[in-house]
Amino acid sequence: DVKVTQSSRYLVKRTGEKVFLECVQDMDHENMFWYRQDPGLGLRLIYFSYDVKMKEKGDIPEGYSVSREKKERFSLILESASTNQTSMYLCASRLTGAPRPTNYGYTFGSGTRLTVV
Amino acid sequence: AQSVTQPDIHITVSEGASLELRCNYSYGATPYLFWYVQSPGQGLQLLLKYFSGDTLVQGIKGFEAEFKRSQSSFNLRKPSVHWSDAAEYFCAVRGGSYIPTFGRGTSLIVHP
Repeated sequence: DVKVTQSSRYLVKRTGEKVFLECVQDMDHENMFWYRQDPGLGLRLIYFSYDVKMKEKGDIPEGYSVSREKKERFSLILESASTNQTSMYLCASRLTGAPRPTNYGYTFGSGTRLTVV
Repeated sequence: AQSVTQPDIHITVSEGASLELRCNYSYGATPYLFWYVQSPGQGLQLLLKYFSGDTLVQGIKGFEAEFKRSQSSFNLRKPSVHWSDAAEYFCAVRGGSYIPTFGRGTSLIVHP
């Protein structure tokens, strides 16, 4: 089974801190995604990456950046954490190029619940 | 543009009762449709997906969903709910882009 691992389940950070959320997948997936999940708002796409060193803004990129230096790792960076970035962050990956319909579902990590105080 | 609506924020059922969670989508052609489940404190797990062919799709954990083009719907069903089914359920639609759009989720509460 594909595994998507998010390094922390819970994080508490102070306002203004630089925060790194790490995501690693072990099945050579090309596409990786960062979502935030808030009650009543569902999942909102922050950034995604087609492949190594490639990144694209999602629906709510403000206040975030990403890094994809290696295929298996996709990092979400909060340059200066603010209280409105308190949320659950979900990483996902997807394989391209596999025979349909294998490549049409995402595999999600367990999430990182970030609290900014 | 694609969009998806889950009209029910919460659904409460008794254990053993049948379940139907609603999902309506908007997209000009036939989309790809997904249902995911999220147990408390966990990530999302794919329950089932529809791409083409048979409009009744079977998934894991005894769930099924039916694609109805005329109603732009993809409702999730289960004939008999178990207490362990209590979770958040998300419908997602994927159109021309390979990036899906997720609904806001429906929280399922199961009473003993």
